[in-house]
Amino acid sequence: QQQVKQSPQSLIVQKGGISIINCAYENTAFDYFPWYQQFPGKGPALLIAIRPDVSEKKEGRFTISFNKSAKQFSLHIMDSQPGDSATYFCAASRPGGTSYGKLTFGQGTILTVHP
Amino acid sequence: GAVVSQHPSWVICKSGTSVKIECRSLDFQATTMFWYRQFPKQSLMLMATSNEGSKATYEQGVEKDKFLINHASLTLSTLTVTSAHPEDSSFYICSATMYGSSNQPQHFGDGTRLSIL
Repeated sequence: QQQVKQSPQSLIVQKGGISIINCAYENTAFDYFPWYQQFPGKGPALLIAIRPDVSEKKEGRFTISFNKSAKQFSLHIMDSQPGDSATYFCAASRPGGTSYGKLTFGQGTILTVHP
Repeated sequence: GAVVSQHPSWVICKSGTSVKIECRSLDFQATTMFWYRQFPKQSLMLMATSNEGSKATYEQGVEKDKFLINHASLTLSTLTVTSAHPEDSSFYICSATMYGSSNQPQHFGDGTRLSIL
C-alpha cells in the first residue's frame, strides 16, 4: 500500500514535443506529491509538487495533473528540450506517525529528448 | 533555494575501512535529515530518518551497527559506513527538510559515490 508505480520506464521524445510520465498510488493518506529530476551523478532536484486539493499545477513548461478519484498523477513537460534529458521520479508522502515526511518514490523514468 | 551540501562526492577505500559521509544544510535549519541509497538505474531506497538530537530511525533491513547516523546539530548529519565491504559500494544521498508538515519539501545533496575495493 506504500508503493507508487511509475510509467513508462523510459521515454524518447523529439525536441519540442510533450513528455508525459504517469504515477499511480494506493495509499489515500498520501497528501503531498512532488516530482524530482535527477541528472547522472547528482542528487534529485525538486521540480514541482502538488497537494490533493488541486487538480493541476503549472510552473513554466512543467505541469502536474492530479486525479484524486483515480489515485493517479502525471508530469507533463511541454516543448521538451535536450537539456531535459534526465531521470524523473514521482514521489508521495503522508503526514503523521512514523512515516512523517518520508517520501515513497516511484521507480523512475529515463527521459531522452532528441534534438 | 535551499542548499544541501554533501561531502565527499566520491570515495574509494579498501575493504574493512570505515567511511564517514557528511550532509550539511547550508541556508536553513534541518530538523530532519534522510539518508538514501541508490543503485545504478534504480530508484532511491530510504535507509534511515534522523531528527536533530535524537537517535535515527532505520528502515527494515538496514543494519544499524553497519550504518551509523549522527544528527548532532540542525545543520549537520553524518553517515558512517563501518567496516565497509564491496557490497556496500553504492551512491549514498542525503536530504534535509524543516519540521512543520509533511508538505515541507526535501532538498537533496549531490550524493556520495562509495567504491569499496
